[in-house]
Amino acid sequence: DARVTQTPRHKVTEMGQEVTMRCQPILGHNTVFWYRQTMMQGLELLAYFRNRAPLDDSGMPKDRFSAEMPDATLATLKIQPSEPRDSAVYFCASGFPYGGSNTGELFFGEGSRLTVL
Amino acid sequence: GQNIDQPTEMTATEGAIVQINCTYQTSGFNGLFWYQQHAGEAPTFLSYNVLDGLEEKGRFSSFLSRSKGYSYLLLKELQMKDSASYLCAVGPLNNAGNMLTFGGGTRLMVKP
Repeated sequence: DARVTQTPRHKVTEMGQEVTMRCQPILGHNTVFWYRQTMMQGLELLAYFRNRAPLDDSGMPKDRFSAEMPDATLATLKIQPSEPRDSAVYFCASGFPYGGSNTGELFFGEGSRLTVL
Repeated sequence: GQNIDQPTEMTATEGAIVQINCTYQTSGFNGLFWYQQHAGEAPTFLSYNVLDGLEEKGRFSSFLSRSKGYSYLLLKELQMKDSASYLCAVGPLNNAGNMLTFGGGTRLMVKP
């Protein structure tokens, strides 16, 4: 049963600490996304990769956030330094672009719940 | 940019039919997607519309009018397990990818 895997599932840290979240997309998917979800803002797109190349990270605060795909099986989202306002659930999603038999649907991981004290 | 509006909350009775509306303004078209998200879980894909009209998928149907920037999700024969948030999302459909912008979600509570 193919699924997107995210670690850690939960993270509590103190303000100023570095946080790294990891994602293993579904094997073969060539688009990978990082979303952040809060009660106030809903699901916000942070970063987007296609074939491991970053295509859009306009939603990501550049001064403290960075997203990379060191290889096709791993995507990372790093926050340094973390702040209390970064507390949220961070979702990774993967999929195929729309076209042919592909609907363009995204498959989401279970999320990483981050609490910054 | 994209602006997506949907009601924050709805309540319906088990066995009934409920319609969740979504209106959007976008800079270009797009496909419209519906996702379901149970509390504490990941969003899961329900349906998508590219052309105007109704797409039926079991108890769930989704409708799209591109000229009106309007979609709805219709849930029939409601079950208690349908209590969840329903997220409307729009995004470009091209070979560059499927970058989706999500609405705030509609939390549906199904009561006995």
